[in-house]
Amino acid sequence: KAGVTQTPRYLIKTRGQQVTLSCSPISGHRSVSWYQQTPGQGLQFLFEYFSETQRNKGNFPGRFSGRQFSNSRSEMNVSTLELGDSALYLCASSLEAGGQGELFFGEGSRLTVL
Amino acid sequence: GESVGLHLPTLSVQEGDNSIINCAYSNSASDYFIWYKQESGKGPQFIIDIRSNMDKRQGQRVTVLLNKTVKHLSLQIAATQPGDSAVYFCAENIPGNTPLVFGKGTRLSVIA
Repeated sequence: KAGVTQTPRYLIKTRGQQVTLSCSPISGHRSVSWYQQTPGQGLQFLFEYFSETQRNKGNFPGRFSGRQFSNSRSEMNVSTLELGDSALYLCASSLEAGGQGELFFGEGSRLTVL
Repeated sequence: GESVGLHLPTLSVQEGDNSIINCAYSNSASDYFIWYKQESGKGPQFIIDIRSNMDKRQGQRVTVLLNKTVKHLSLQIAATQPGDSAVYFCAENIPGNTPLVFGKGTRLSVIA
């Protein structure tokens, strides 16, 4: 059974650009969550999608957005990139929504903003 | 802000010794807890979980202890090996359709 797949694994952008990250969950998982990981702040929750609906949203500005498709694949977008957006973006899938099930994480997409 | 915290940001242990990683949580309503292990360059990996109706759960070389009285969670690793070197996160679930909340992590270094 394939795990959670995130693409791209590494990317470099400049300030003001936008970026789209992709996540394919484990087959059969309908919940996809996104986290931002930085050395200083640890794992910060961005948002969660379940059956194409955003169920939860973390405390991030509107520049951060996401969506989920009918096949449960998810994308997140960050517009008008800032230096502080440099981080590892982790996607996790689970069978259940709302934190009641085990989260399976991908390897992450490491974004560097110059 | 985060409601999950860790007592020790770094922990160094000798190979073969037992490791204990601690975590304090602030929400007494939390009903589900998970420990994750994150190795360098990889995503967090599930180690073990425990629900609030239990106070101890054992896995292979790992044991999680839950003390609801003092809102404390610990992960015990028996016979620590070099491959156990990683950052360990505890996470809690607060009922009510909320996402898991992660602590900042403890780095475990195993000295050969």
